[in-house]
Amino acid sequence: DGGITQSPKYLFRKEGQNVTLSCEQNLNHDAMYWYRQDPGQGLRLIYYSQIVNDFQKGDIAEGYSVSREKKESFPLTVTSAQKNPTAFYLCASRQGSGANVLTFGAGSRLTVL
Amino acid sequence: GIQVEQSPPDLILQEGANSTLRCNFSDSVNNLQWFHQNPWGQLINLFYIPSGTKQNGRLSATTVATERYSLLYISSSQTTDSGVYFCAVGTSGSRLTFGEGTQLTVNP
Repeated sequence: DGGITQSPKYLFRKEGQNVTLSCEQNLNHDAMYWYRQDPGQGLRLIYYSQIVNDFQKGDIAEGYSVSREKKESFPLTVTSAQKNPTAFYLCASRQGSGANVLTFGAGSRLTVL
Repeated sequence: GIQVEQSPPDLILQEGANSTLRCNFSDSVNNLQWFHQNPWGQLINLFYIPSGTKQNGRLSATTVATERYSLLYISSSQTTDSGVYFCAVGTSGSRLTFGEGTQLTVNP
């Protein structure tokens, strides 16, 4: 079955540590996205990538970094510079121009202790 | 950037009731999608509807792009319809801006 796999599902981290969230898709989609969701709120865009080896900042990129070395993979690193990293992180993908429907992974819940 | 406002923020229904969720946006868009987020956090696309009307079973959606709003109709609601409904809009092919969502609770 095609889809988006996010791992880990739950992650605990100590303050000051970097952590990397994995996002892998086998849909052959061109574009990939990372969103952050806080309790009771909507989704906010962190980073997105429309093609391999290229990515753009979203609305809340500070304290985060990404890479897009392969079409199917778009990992997100939450760095120690992110002041309030505890949140639910969602990865999504979209096929490409002319096909705008977003498909989401199941999410990764990060808690900073 | 574009602003998205959803109403109502919370809605409680009895099973079998109908409901209408609204999404207002501040600028012209060429991409509008409705999503349902289940209690485990998974988001599922319900409709891609930048304009016009679509129906899928008990759900239907209408977007009036010239007046900058979209409506999601849920008929004969079931407990499994509970969750958060999000509207997301975009002015280019690359990114969407999400509203704050409508939390729907359907009681048996």
